Amino acid sequence: AQSVAQPEDQVNVAEGNPLTVKCTYSVSGNPYLFWYVQYPNRGLQFLLKYITGDNLVKGSYGFEAEFNKSQTSFHLKKPSALVSDSALYFCAVRDRRQAGTALIFGKGTTLSVSS
Amino acid sequence: GAVVSQHPSRVICKSGTSVKIECRSLDFQATTMFWYRQFPKKSLMLMATSNEGSKATYEQGVEKDKFLINHASLTLSTLTVTSAHPEDSSFYICSAVGRGNTIYFGEGSWLTVV
Repeated sequence: AQSVAQPEDQVNVAEGNPLTVKCTYSVSGNPYLFWYVQYPNRGLQFLLKYITGDNLVKGSYGFEAEFNKSQTSFHLKKPSALVSDSALYFCAVRDRRQAGTALIFGKGTTLSVSS
Repeated sequence: GAVVSQHPSRVICKSGTSVKIECRSLDFQATTMFWYRQFPKKSLMLMATSNEGSKATYEQGVEKDKFLINHASLTLSTLTVTSAHPEDSSFYICSAVGRGNTIYFGEGSWLTVV
């Protein structure tokens, strides 16, 4: 079975500081990995995905994530946080052997960036 | 780019009534769509997989007679909450599988049952 763990309910960081939102996954095969952001009362916005190739993936709004197979992690990072980055972040996984199946989401991490 | 539209974005209904939420893929055909439910500040829980022209596949614990899913065309899936109760109040999000197996999400629909 596939699962995603986001160990932190909330991450607090000061504006201008680097941020990291953690994600680990469990999937029987090789995964497709995703990060989405959700602003209050809104749907999900796609940030980035790992399919294959370079382990460091760059996405929208200056975010990036590094796929680490040995640690089964896919942490989201940004070198310099903005107050506008404050939102709910979801990591998601899909087994690449099951094309067209649903994404399985982590519980979400609330990012709070203070000015 | 690809867009998935949900309607209505917000709906209030009385207990015991039924309400329908639509999910449309606007510029691509989606043979597969997914319905999720989200409680406030919580994760998205997959409810069912909707396949065009066939019955939906429901996740364990989801009442198929209460949450009716119809995927009658390649661009439209509907979720009908039947005999709604206040505990059905939630944020419902759909997603659709597009080209290259990319998954696109709708903006979500807030349901409040009073």
